[in-house]
Amino acid sequence: AQSVAQPEDQVNVAEGNPLTVKCTYSVSGNPYLFWYVQYPNRGLQFLLKYITGDNLVKGSYGFEAEFNKSQTSFHLKKPSALVSDSALYFCAVRGIYNQGGKLIFGQGTELSVKP
Amino acid sequence: EAGVAQSPRYKIIEKRQSVAFWCNPISGHATLYWYQQILGQGPKLLIQFQNNGVVDDSQLPKDRFSAERLKGVDSTLKIQPAKLEDSAVYLCASSARGGLNTEAFFGQGTRLTVV
Repeated sequence: AQSVAQPEDQVNVAEGNPLTVKCTYSVSGNPYLFWYVQYPNRGLQFLLKYITGDNLVKGSYGFEAEFNKSQTSFHLKKPSALVSDSALYFCAVRGIYNQGGKLIFGQGTELSVKP
Repeated sequence: EAGVAQSPRYKIIEKRQSVAFWCNPISGHATLYWYQQILGQGPKLLIQFQNNGVVDDSQLPKDRFSAERLKGVDSTLKIQPAKLEDSAVYLCASSARGGLNTEAFFGQGTRLTVV
C-alpha cells in the first residue's frame, strides 16, 4: 500500500535560517510526490511536485524539494526562512494500482519561523 | 482563473441532524475530490469523481455519507445522520484530469462542528 510519513509534528526555525521539512514515502513503482501548504482557516495550496527527471524540484515562494530514491525521501527545503512561511505543510503521494490515483497525505508538519 | 468554491464556510449542527456541503470546481476540471480533514491529521479522501462518475469511494461511510456530481460540474456532499466524530473540515478539490502527475487545487473548506 502507498503511504507517506512526516516524522516531525513541528519544526522551529529562526528567520533567515535554512529550513527542512521531512517526508518519506512508500510506493509500488515510480512515485508521484507533492507538497502542499495550509495557512490557518484556508484550504491547501500546491507548492511543488516531483514526477520524473531532476531530483531537485523548485516550486512556489522559493521552496524546493529534493527527491532521494535510495532513501525514499522527498524533503522540502528553503534556503532562507521567512516569518510568513509559518504554516502547516503536507507531503502527499499519488496512489496507483489498487488505489485509483488518489492523493495520500501525511499527517502534516507545523512550521514556525520566529523573527 | 477562479478557484474552487465551497459553501458554507462553517456549519454547526446537533448529532443526528443532516447537513450538506456544496462545491463548484475550477471550470473545465474533470476530476473532483472530497476530502475529510480531522484536526491534527492530514486530509483523507472520501470520494473521487471523474466527470459525473465515481472513481473511488472506498473510504466513504456509505451508511451516512452520500455525494453526487450531476452534470459533471458542481458537487454536493451530504451527511445524514451526523455523528460527533464527523466534526472536521471538508475540503473539495479539483484537477484538470485524473492523471498521476496532476496536482489538485483545493477550496477553502467547510468546517463542520457536530455537538
